[in-house]
Amino acid sequence: EIVLTQSPATLSLSPGERATLSCRASQSVSSYLAWYQQRPGQAPRLLIYDASNRATGIPARFSGSGSGTDFTLTISSLEPEDFAVYYCQQRSDWPPLTFGGGTKVEIK
Amino acid sequence: EVQLVESGGGLVQPGRSLRLSCAASGFTFEDYAMHWVRQAPGKGLEWVSGISWTNGNIGYADSVKGRFTISRDNAKSSLFLQMNSLRTEDTAFYYCANSRAWGQGTLVTVSS
Repeated sequence: EIVLTQSPATLSLSPGERATLSCRASQSVSSYLAWYQQRPGQAPRLLIYDASNRATGIPARFSGSGSGTDFTLTISSLEPEDFAVYYCQQRSDWPPLTFGGGTKVEIK
Repeated sequence: EVQLVESGGGLVQPGRSLRLSCAASGFTFEDYAMHWVRQAPGKGLEWVSGISWTNGNIGYADSVKGRFTISRDNAKSSLFLQMNSLRTEDTAFYYCANSRAWGQGTLVTVSS
């Protein structure tokens, strides 16, 4: 089973600042990595698929990079609605599909 | 517009069964592997089961193996999850998902 480790667990930032979230895989997942945003009381929302492709309707301030075992989600300038929990997920080798434990981006 | 719409959730007693459905639209359903993912209240995301587009690859989380069965009907662009012998720990929102979209989820509550 591929284990995904997200860091940091919590990121405290102010609106307008840049957020950098990390996801590390226990073995290579090639580019088969996705990022999701989850706001309180809402379903997860796909942001990035296949490491660097923005999903439909996702603002350009969200970008993904990486391949193999190390991946990064960058939010260039935080908007108020971006304070949420972010998960990474791999689909390179399943079963099982696996998720990281999440990074909470909170208002400083 | 890509859409996945789950249905079939509800309140059920331990040991009983429930069948979830997911209706897909806006994309070529048969081209994608499909998955069920759940989230218990206040917890993270847990993959439950997945099925490849050809039905050649089917998998289950250890926690549901032998109790849940996934299936798909490509002609009707639909995904299903038959859940038997339900336990209180199966209580969660259940989401239908593929590599391009997620549904809004359906709540399954297992309680006496």
